Parts: sequence; C-alpha cells; structure tokens
Amino acid sequence: GESVGLHLPTLSVQEGDNSIINCAYSNSASDYFIWYKQESGKGPQFIIDIRSNMDKRQGQRVTVLLNKTVKHLSLQIAATQPGDSAVYFCAEKVDANSKLTFGKGITLSVRP
Amino acid sequence: EAGVAQSPRYKIIEKRQSVAFWCNPISGHATLYWYQQILGQGPKLLIQFQNNGVVDDSQLPKDRFSAERLKGVDSTLKIQPAKLEDSAVYLCASSDPLAGWVQETQYFGPGTRLLVL
Repeated sequence: GESVGLHLPTLSVQEGDNSIINCAYSNSASDYFIWYKQESGKGPQFIIDIRSNMDKRQGQRVTVLLNKTVKHLSLQIAATQPGDSAVYFCAEKVDANSKLTFGKGITLSVRP
Repeated sequence: EAGVAQSPRYKIIEKRQSVAFWCNPISGHATLYWYQQILGQGPKLLIQFQNNGVVDDSQLPKDRFSAERLKGVDSTLKIQPAKLEDSAVYLCASSDPLAGWVQETQYFGPGTRLLVL
C-alpha cells in the first residue's frame, strides 16, 4: 500500500455511533488481511484478521468485510467509544513466505 | 504473558553518530521483525529473523544499518552513521506462526522514537 505522508485521512464520529474505516489494498494475490490499531506512543495492536476465502468476519464490536473484486477491505466498529480513537492500519500478506505490507493509516477521532 | 519489550523508548542523536536499539520478544516466539515507521506512514519492514537466521533483509540499508539475533532471542538494531532521514519510530515485533500457514499475528513492542539532529 501507499502512504499519504504527514497528513493522514481522518474519520470523525460521534461517541456511540458506528464507524466504518476503509482500505484499498494493492495486491490481488493477497490471501490474508489484518487490521491493526495504533494509539499514540504505542506499537500497532492486532484487532481482527480475515482470509481471502471469506468475505466477512466478526469479533467483539468489530467486523471486517472483504471485497476481492474491487480489492477493498473495511473495518466496522459498533458503538464507537473514546478508547477507539487511534490510527488504524490495514495490512496484507500474499502467502506464508511473504512479508506483511501495511497500507495507509486512517485516524479515527471520537467526539464525546 | 509479557509483551515485546524495547529500549530505549526515546533517543536523540546528531547526524553521523551511531545508535543501537534493543528488543526482547515474547517468550517462545521464533520470528522477530524490525520495522521503521516514519511519521504518518505505516510500518516498513527492515529485517525478519527466524530464530537466529535472517529470512528477509531486502529493505535494510546495509551500508548503515545492521541487526543481529545471536542466541535466537533478543535482538539489536544498529545505525552507523545516522542520517537526518533516519528519524522515525523503530518497532520490534515477534510472532510464532505455524509453518506453512499464511495466518500470523505479529505482536509489536512500544517502539523506540529516534530523532536525528
């Protein structure tokens, strides 16, 4: 994926609303996708993952959707909380022997 | 379970100086990664170790960066000499993937924030 430099796209949502964070991945051969959350001053933290043979996977308050036709990945967060404020990264991996490639980061800002 | 530990957390040096970062992965994790994260970007892989062997160092600037994992546990990343553009957060991650499986959860440390003046 590509980076947008210093100015990350920002999504601002009201506390309690649902959030949808989108990611366009780069490689149609990618078989595995992950969403990471990175809070200020911390390392990325695993949220949820999905294989290419699935189009949806649910976790606790989070859902990942995969559309391979248009190479699009999204992360849905239900009932967004202030603690969800962070930068979110999608990452892709082609196979067991390839590296994890991170996409553009998106800043989620939760308004109280 | 303790997470990935890194030190120092912050480092300020002048260009042309050298610096070293240390990482202690999660116990039992055979795979260790060093990433460089420039402000506003996603992490970029520098080097991957499997136990004490290098798996991928294709994006490591070998004229100035070096890394080792001598006993297959802790690892150090060194920059010598540092340039202004090396200012970034250096993240260490570890994992214990099943052989041949594409699924892999990498656990990241808090990172070392480097500023080169």
